Amino acid sequence: DTEVTQTPKHLVMGMTNKKSLKCEQHMGHRAMYWYKQKAKKPPELMFVYSYEKLSINESVPSRFSPECPNSSLLNLHLHALQPEDSALYLCASSQDQEERWYEQYFGPGTRLTVT
Amino acid sequence: KQEVTQIPAALSVPEGENLVLNCSFTDSAIYNLQWFRQDPGKGLTSLLLIQSSQREQTSGRLNASLDKSSGRSTLYIAASQPGDSATYLCAVNTGTASKLTFGTGTRLQVTL
Repeated sequence: DTEVTQTPKHLVMGMTNKKSLKCEQHMGHRAMYWYKQKAKKPPELMFVYSYEKLSINESVPSRFSPECPNSSLLNLHLHALQPEDSALYLCASSQDQEERWYEQYFGPGTRLTVT
Repeated sequence: KQEVTQIPAALSVPEGENLVLNCSFTDSAIYNLQWFRQDPGKGLTSLLLIQSSQREQTSGRLNASLDKSSGRSTLYIAASQPGDSATYLCAVNTGTASKLTFGTGTRLQVTL
């Protein structure tokens, strides 16, 4: 099973709301990633978790707060977002972060619209 | 800083044609290169992974080659089908901890 699942599929939120995106994998992978993809652009890395610890933060604004409660689950907490944060948010996982030759597997994404 | 370019940006071909998508990168010190497919509004599906020590990988009608020294990879699709219509992205894994740098993609349309 090479599946990464993400919920919800679509999310519309106001600028004062607090919401969370969820990502799950059951492949035993120990590295998990959040990417942001704007329309007609390639994905851009936001965060990397390795063995449930945050290892990379690509200078993402604090209104995005990642969390990795266990090795299978990755959350992205959203608060006080701006309309320009509207995008497709993609989660990915790989077997390991340090061993860089492992393939990354992506989920279907959450389409976020901030009004 | 690694930069990844894909040419062409868009391509339309009739069904049954063989085609080649190109990917070039500026820093040849890569660990691996992945080709992905993305349907509109959807996530990324991994097609092929080529390690830096490999020259090519094959999966069904897909064949990807890697020339690390010249900073190039190609994705060859044989006997294209309308179901192949999608955006194809290449991504290189360079330097820091499995960070993928993506190309801008090639939007492929296969017509009947």
